[in-house]
Amino acid sequence: GIQVEQSPPDLILQEGANSTLRCNFSDSVNNLQWFHQNPWGQLINLFYIPSGTKQNGRLSATTVATERYSLLYISSSQTTDSGVYFCAVAWGGSEKLVFGKGTKLTVNP
Amino acid sequence: GAVVSQHPSWVICKSGTSVKIECRSLDFQATTMFWYRQFPKQSLMLMATSNEGSKATYEQGVEKDKFLINHASLTLSTLTVTSAHPEDSSFYICSASNQDTQYFGPGTRLTVL
Repeated sequence: GIQVEQSPPDLILQEGANSTLRCNFSDSVNNLQWFHQNPWGQLINLFYIPSGTKQNGRLSATTVATERYSLLYISSSQTTDSGVYFCAVAWGGSEKLVFGKGTKLTVNP
Repeated sequence: GAVVSQHPSWVICKSGTSVKIECRSLDFQATTMFWYRQFPKQSLMLMATSNEGSKATYEQGVEKDKFLINHASLTLSTLTVTSAHPEDSSFYICSASNQDTQYFGPGTRLTVL
């Protein structure tokens, strides 16, 4: 099956800093989503981005499908950005999502 | 839009009892819903795909007789953990697809004593 690798596994920032999270995948995908899991466990949709670039406020994402990676950018980080960020992909025409292991982000005041 | 709810948000039960978890799509219809399991400090693992009006399909290693799934309508799927044991304690999360994007419920934390 497809492999999804996220890096870094842990990231500690000071409030106001910028960061880049990476997601590599081992095969062509028909779906790629980025999520933020808050401390209560809720998965919050950030982006549906199987290819291209999108921006939403301080967050943006880019997926280069031909090179099999996606990047999530967080600018001017805030303490409320803390949590685990997951990349998940679907492949082979399936709707099933395969999750990476996540990046745990801690933003200190 | 695209809100998914789960009930209950947490449950504690005794070993040997059964627990039912509901997953509802509140503002859209979902012919397919998914059930995931997440252990502490780990990622989400897909357990099964719930199909409205037909049998669920289970991932390898997931016992279908232990984790009963029913998708009775286009807005409701249920997961029943039968004869629960302490090793079934986990965070269970459902999702539903709406226009290529999966939306997740808030999860149910199950503790089996």
